[in-house]
Amino acid sequence: SAVISQKPSRDICQRGTSLTIQCQVDSQVTMMFWYRQQPGQSLTLIATANQGSEATYESGFVIDKFPISRPNLTFSTLTVSNMSPEDSSIYLCSAESISYNEQFFGPGTRLTVL
Amino acid sequence: QQPVQSPQAVILREGEDAVINCSSSKALYSVHWYRQKHGEAPVFLMILLKGGEQKGHEKISASFNEKKQQSSLYLTASQLSYSGTYFCGTEGGQGGKLIFGQGTELSVKP
Repeated sequence: SAVISQKPSRDICQRGTSLTIQCQVDSQVTMMFWYRQQPGQSLTLIATANQGSEATYESGFVIDKFPISRPNLTFSTLTVSNMSPEDSSIYLCSAESISYNEQFFGPGTRLTVL
Repeated sequence: QQPVQSPQAVILREGEDAVINCSSSKALYSVHWYRQKHGEAPVFLMILLKGGEQKGHEKISASFNEKKQQSSLYLTASQLSYSGTYFCGTEGGQGGKLIFGQGTELSVKP
């Protein structure tokens, strides 16, 4: 199984600022995704990170608010822009393995916006 | 559309069995099952692909009925370590993206 790391693991930010979250996979994967999870809630898909092209966003999420990059097969970033307290959440990246279509999650980034 | 999981919560004694169901209103290509403990990331348990396959992992197994668009997760002889929230993630064949159910909170007591 792929091992996924995320940086930072947590952060406390001021309203109106931006935070970039990094996701690194230790092996080649096919797809990479970004999710958001509010405490006690399910996981909500933000977007699919496409290598070398614009990410594909789910309904309710836009590129200006959540720009995503994926410059190669094993690395992706998610930026949370112009943050408000409503953006406080856990952000997780996941990756789909080449072999068996299994998806694994990174440890998550716990974001608090004041 | 979000799949529906049932029950929402279940409490077991060690050694008891449980079944968690996941139902979708859309045709499914695959179903993924995860367990998440408080403060941790979801941990992959198993994937079931279109074809009615049943899979097992130690005392945890699952089935997938593609005609009914349903999957069930079976936990037998539960252990304290089984406690957590279980999520099913369904894929409709759209490039691997998963839509997750609302979760089932499982508590195993000594």
